[in-house]
Amino acid sequence: NAGVTQTPKFRVLKTGQSMTLLCAQDMNHEYMYWYRQDPGMGLRLIHYSVGEGTTAKGEVPDGYNVSRLKKQNFLLGLESAAPSQTSVYFCASSYLDKGYEQFFGPGTRLTVL
Amino acid sequence: GQQLNQSPQSMFIQEGEDVSMNCTSSSIFNTWLWYKQDPGEGPVLLIALYKAGELTSNGRLTAQFGITRKDSFLNISASIPSDVGIYFCAGQLNAGKSTFGDGTTLTVKP
Repeated sequence: NAGVTQTPKFRVLKTGQSMTLLCAQDMNHEYMYWYRQDPGMGLRLIHYSVGEGTTAKGEVPDGYNVSRLKKQNFLLGLESAAPSQTSVYFCASSYLDKGYEQFFGPGTRLTVL
Repeated sequence: GQQLNQSPQSMFIQEGEDVSMNCTSSSIFNTWLWYKQDPGEGPVLLIALYKAGELTSNGRLTAQFGITRKDSFLNISASIPSDVGIYFCAGQLNAGKSTFGDGTTLTVKP
């Protein structure tokens, strides 16, 4: 099993450009999450999903959109990137009955110029 | 929103020493979690605590869920070089939604 994978690993954008980050998991987890991690800080929850077709806002949702069309995939979109969105983005997934035990992907390092 | 204060921010220790770090919150949590993050990777869960007062061990690691439900600590005994990394605490009020501390960076000198 690959676990949680993220695509791409690195990306550089110009202000105003758009992009989509892809997260995939092969563990049949119900819950999926997107976090951002800024230097010297912990992870902050952007959006999460408790099942296919459902999404909800986390702590810092502004400027991001998400979609969960398939159980194994969770997409994070930036419609108009801003320098403040320069960060490392982590995806995670967990079982419904073990929401505490989140498995994380390797991260996507995004720079917005 | 909920905030976690994690301390110390960084630690420099000699191999073989014991380490202690803690997290405090202004509000209660139902679950406390401790993660380790190696450079360039995502966090990995070390210990999960589900009940106030609970003390749980995982090898050389021991963590406790504070009685007030507003704090937790992590101890590492007899540190080794591979313990180097960033340790995060996280609290959960509801399943799945975690609030993370800012991390403790551990450096172990051989």
